[in-house]
This record gives sequence, structure tokens and C-alpha cells, in this order.
Amino acid sequence: RKEVEQDPGPFNVPEGATVAFNCTYSNSASQSFFWYRQDCRKEPKLLMSVYSSGNEDGRFTAQLNRASQYISLLIRDSKLSDSATYLCVVNKEGFKTIFGAGTRLFVKA
Amino acid sequence: NAGVMQNPRHLVRRRGQEARLRCSPMKGHSHVYWYRQLPEEGLKFMVYLQKENIIDESGMPKERFSAEFPKEGPSILRIQQVVRGDSAAYFCASSPSRVTDTEAFFGQGTRLTVV
Repeated sequence: RKEVEQDPGPFNVPEGATVAFNCTYSNSASQSFFWYRQDCRKEPKLLMSVYSSGNEDGRFTAQLNRASQYISLLIRDSKLSDSATYLCVVNKEGFKTIFGAGTRLFVKA
Repeated sequence: NAGVMQNPRHLVRRRGQEARLRCSPMKGHSHVYWYRQLPEEGLKFMVYLQKENIIDESGMPKERFSAEFPKEGPSILRIQQVVRGDSAAYFCASSPSRVTDTEAFFGQGTRLTVV
């Protein structure tokens, strides 16, 4: 089993739709969690951290479920510019950052 | 404040040659991470370094690959005797402290093509 697993997609959604991605992790000792966004052939950039209490940033909501060992990202009112690959990131053992393979999202007009 | 700088952006090497990839972290950052991304795949951790120290190299292939982060100058990822399977994007990231405490910032990557 991979340490971090994501549905690779692609998710094809129309503009304005709500879309959700899940990511599961295998190490219960994982300490911190992030969602990164990677545009085609570009470097990953931090989208948001994921806190135990859940957090929201505009149209984006991230949640963590430690009991079930998954994190989620919800995007409301999708825009064309949201088209990208979304990477789930889990830190374990202090500094070994594990990236998921990413979920590809295509938002269409 | 310049971000993480990687060079070259694109590198073409023939099989058997050496590839040297450079990464200058953001100012004030003393932690450097290298990742490899194969086409259509996710990022894979290779190595984590601090100045003059390799902290975790559990993701590095056992042969042909090495990394350093000297006291002065950029971090270097060195691949000896490259093979076609080494063709990938290599990303460097830096952070001011251990990455659990803060986000890591990525360079634009070096795309290595082995012909």
C-alpha cells in the first residue's frame, strides 16, 4: 500500500461545479498535511495547510480526519483557472515529506 | 527576494554522461529537499539536506546518484552515467526550518532528458 494515495482522476467538471478530492495516508504518526497545486510543467505551490479543525480559504475547504486517516479538499464554484493537478502532502517522522501522485482536475466552460 | 533558483532549466545528456543539477535555496533557508517527477507521475522524495549534512537520503537510488549542500554555494544533485530512465523533472525545495513547521518553496525544476 502506498504511503499516500490519491485518485488520479481526471475529474472533468463544468464551471461553477463543486468538486471534492480525497487523499488517504497510511502512517498514523503523520504530523502535518498540506494541499499543493501543480500546473502543467510547473513547480508545485502550496494551496493550503490542513488543520485538524478544518479550514477554509475562499472557495477552498480542507479537512482532516485522523481517525480514518484521510484529508479532503473541496472546491466550490469551480473556475477555469482551477484546472491543475492537486497534490496531497503528508509529513511524517519530522521531515520526510511524502507527496501523493496528484489528482488532475479539468474545469470546462 | 529571489525564490528558489534551479539551473539549468533544461539539460540534455547522452547515456553514460554525468548530469549536475544546481539549486540555490531562498535567502535564509538552510533546508533543501530534492524530488524527482517522472512523466505523468507524482513527486518522489529523494534527499533532504542541511548545510554540509545529508539528513535523509532514503529516496536516493543506491548507485550513481549523490547530493551535497556545501557551506558555500548551491546544493548539487549529481547523476553519474545517466541512463534513459533518469529522464525526469527534478525539483528542489527549500524551507527555513524542518518542513513540518512551515511550507516548502519549490524551484522551477530542471528537466533532464537522456538521449
